Amino acid sequence: RKEVEQDPGPFNVPEGATVAFNCTYSNSASQSFFWYRQDCRKEPKLLMSVYSSGNEDGRFTAQLNRASQYISLLIRDSKLSDSATYLCVVSPASGAGSYQLTFGKGTKLSVIP
Amino acid sequence: GAGVSQSPSNKVTEKGKDVELRCDPISGHTALYWYRQSLGQGLEFLIYFQGNSAPDKSGLPSDRFSAERTGGSVSTLTIQRTQQEDSAVYLCASSLRGWGYTFGSGTRLTVV
Repeated sequence: RKEVEQDPGPFNVPEGATVAFNCTYSNSASQSFFWYRQDCRKEPKLLMSVYSSGNEDGRFTAQLNRASQYISLLIRDSKLSDSATYLCVVSPASGAGSYQLTFGKGTKLSVIP
Repeated sequence: GAGVSQSPSNKVTEKGKDVELRCDPISGHTALYWYRQSLGQGLEFLIYFQGNSAPDKSGLPSDRFSAERTGGSVSTLTIQRTQQEDSAVYLCASSLRGWGYTFGSGTRLTVV
């Protein structure tokens, strides 16, 4: 089983649609969780951290289910500028001392006019 | 500096030559990481530095790969006797206390 698994997509959605991405991780000791965004031929950039209680940042909502080892990202009211690859990322440690991020291969999103 | 700086941005080299990739992290960031991303693949962890020491070198694919960091700042990743399978984008990231990883724009290495 891969450490971090994501549906590669592509997800092709019209502007204004709501889209959800899922991710599963295999290491139950994982403590820190993130979603990164990577535009074509660019470096990954942190989109948001994922907290146990779930968290929201504007149109983006992230959820964590530790029991199922499952992370999700919901994007509401999709914009053309949301088109990118979304990377699910986990780390075995939390806060100070965490060092190695394990990346999923990403889910590609294309928002269509 | 304002961000993580990597050089060169692109490198084309002949098979069998050595290459050196450089990363200049954000000033004050104690942790530095090297990853690589092959075409259509996810990011693969290579090595991590805390200060000048590398507690985890487990991701280095072979003994042709080495990395060092001096003065708690600049890091170099050296690939000896390059092979075609080394072609990838090599990404460097830095962080303070393990949070808020910031990536550089990467070095695109092509071995011909």
